[in-house]
Amino acid sequence: NAGVTQTPKFRVLKTGQSMTLLCAQDMNHEYMYWYRQDPGMGLRLIHYSVGEGTTAKGEVPDGYNVSRLKKQNFLLGLESAAPSQTSVYFCASSNTGNEQFFGPGTRLTVL
Amino acid sequence: SQKIEQNSEALNIQEGKTATLTCNYTNYSPAYLQWYRQDPGRGPVFLLLIRENEKEKRKERLKVTFDTTLKQSLFHITASQPADSATYLCALDNDMRFGAGTRLTVKP
Repeated sequence: NAGVTQTPKFRVLKTGQSMTLLCAQDMNHEYMYWYRQDPGMGLRLIHYSVGEGTTAKGEVPDGYNVSRLKKQNFLLGLESAAPSQTSVYFCASSNTGNEQFFGPGTRLTVL
Repeated sequence: SQKIEQNSEALNIQEGKTATLTCNYTNYSPAYLQWYRQDPGRGPVFLLLIRENEKEKRKERLKVTFDTTLKQSLFHITASQPADSATYLCALDNDMRFGAGTRLTVKP
């Protein structure tokens, strides 16, 4: 039982490049979330999903897109990366929408 | 706008003492509140959830209170140990708005 895994662990991009972060969970959870964490600002919700095929915007969705084609996977896309998107990205999943299980994070730097 | 504040950015205490962390919120009426622990370089780990109709909740050495009148939650760690050193985050219900966290250091 791996829990929540994130790929990749680290990435460096140049401004304007695109990339996709992959989140996978093996707990059969309905809810999945993407957060970013910046120093002094805590976790901020980017997008979330309440089930396969559904997505919704969180607090800071601009510049990001997501897809939930399979229940176990939640993808976060950056179409044209900007330095302001330098952050640590966490994925989480939940069975009830309450207790969340977090992945180990992806550290992204945009130059 | 909705705001969550964890009053202390950092808290240093001596081993064996009780650590008390504060989470205040404004312009919001959460149905429940959660506390998470985060170690450096890792994702947060869920600790406790307390609902608006619960005044207090306990789990081993942890105790959480929830005062909807004061719009405040207190998180206590009794008989603290150096292994309790971490950042502790509070989060408000389904909106999953997190506070910035309090970094707790327990000194031996």
